[in-house]
Amino acid sequence: NAGVTQTPKFQVLKTGQSMTLQCAQDMNHEYMSWYRQDPGMGLRLIHYSVGAGITDQGEVPNGYNVSRSTTEDFPLRLLSAAPSQTSVYFCASRLAGGWGTGELFFGEGSRLTVL
Amino acid sequence: SQQGEEDPQALSIQEGENATMNCSYKTSINNLQWYRQNSGRGLVHLILIRSNEREKHSGRLRVTLDTSKKSSSLLITASRAADTASYFCATVQQAGTALIFGKGTTLSVSS
Repeated sequence: NAGVTQTPKFQVLKTGQSMTLQCAQDMNHEYMSWYRQDPGMGLRLIHYSVGAGITDQGEVPNGYNVSRSTTEDFPLRLLSAAPSQTSVYFCASRLAGGWGTGELFFGEGSRLTVL
Repeated sequence: SQQGEEDPQALSIQEGENATMNCSYKTSINNLQWYRQNSGRGLVHLILIRSNEREKHSGRLRVTLDTSKKSSSLLITASRAADTASYFCATVQQAGTALIFGKGTTLSVSS
């Protein structure tokens, strides 16, 4: 019972490099999302998706791209990394819902340092 | 900008004491959720309260919601050292989909 799996767990990049953070879930959840967590800032929503082929921006989308080609996967791409993107990134998923949207299931996080 | 704000930012208590954390939010919501995060780990869902509910219990947790004041509180009774963690409130705005988190309260329970 894997739940939400994020890879890699740790990554160091140089400014200007690109990379993709992977997120996969095996719970058949329609909704998936990416957050970043910085000290004193809590969690801020980057992008989210309500189903395959559908994505939308969150609070802090600049510098990040996403796509959702399958229900299971929701990769987060950094096209040209900047030191300001040093953070811990969390992927989370849940069943799609209307009024009483349910709990989010989180991965264990990906810790990214941009030098 | 973030929807929820927790208060206090940090809380230190002794084992056996109760811990109360508060959350204020800005706009009308569908529901409010509380999450816990142990150091270096992902967040774990604790409890969800809908906008038409005023109080909810789960084990040693008690959550209240006052939509007129746009605020919620989380009470942990008879705290244990294992309750040491950060606690976050999160809201889904009306007609919204995404869950927006506050900055969290860091709880330290000493034995």
